[in-house]
Amino acid sequence: GEDVEQSLFLSVREGDSSVINCTYTDSSSTYLYWYKQEPGAGLQLLTYIFSNMDMKQDQRLTVLLNKKDKHLSLRIADTQTGDSAIYFCAESRGSQGNLIFGKGTKLSVKP
Amino acid sequence: DAGVIQSPRHEVTEMGQEVTLRCKPISGHDYLFWYRQTMMRGLELLIYFNNNVPIDDSGMPEDRFSAKMPNASFSTLKIQPSEPRDSAVYFCASSPLGTRDEQYFGPGTRLTVT
Repeated sequence: GEDVEQSLFLSVREGDSSVINCTYTDSSSTYLYWYKQEPGAGLQLLTYIFSNMDMKQDQRLTVLLNKKDKHLSLRIADTQTGDSAIYFCAESRGSQGNLIFGKGTKLSVKP
Repeated sequence: DAGVIQSPRHEVTEMGQEVTLRCKPISGHDYLFWYRQTMMRGLELLIYFNNNVPIDDSGMPEDRFSAKMPNASFSTLKIQPSEPRDSAVYFCASSPLGTRDEQYFGPGTRLTVT
């Protein structure tokens, strides 16, 4: 299909790791992005990975990319209540293509 | 920097009325994007500009929607006439030259058409 797919909901306990998964569609996508949306706010760029990388780590965030399966994941270590938000995966299709967003995964963190 | 500024934050209007949404991008950014977010369809790109010129408006749903960018610091999205199915949150985003996909979003305008 043409959609970027994500599961809609994820619930974890505070202190646990969260893993948010995404499948994308265009094998030629150069960059893949994770955006975060807190309630009542716009999207905020969290991190991105270049398509020739397998992994990128940024403090508590780890992005894994499996190009063969077109699978992207975001791992949040030591998840905090402040991490509760909707997380969007996005792919950039081609040099002049637009960002295509998934529908977002709502992460709920329970104390 | 104040970030991307959108106004109004909330708009309630009756079907058939004209609605104008406003956006001030981050100073120095070359790209400006208008998105619409609904529960059913998620986040959809409506149109984007580069250096005030519309580049891709293929996401604009129909002729009732129009967008302008008269200068580098201001853009409008107009819906005339509005319909209940236009109810959504409309986001404006901007990005600097060379990093088009690293977009900075405004807080959005929640539009309700009754």
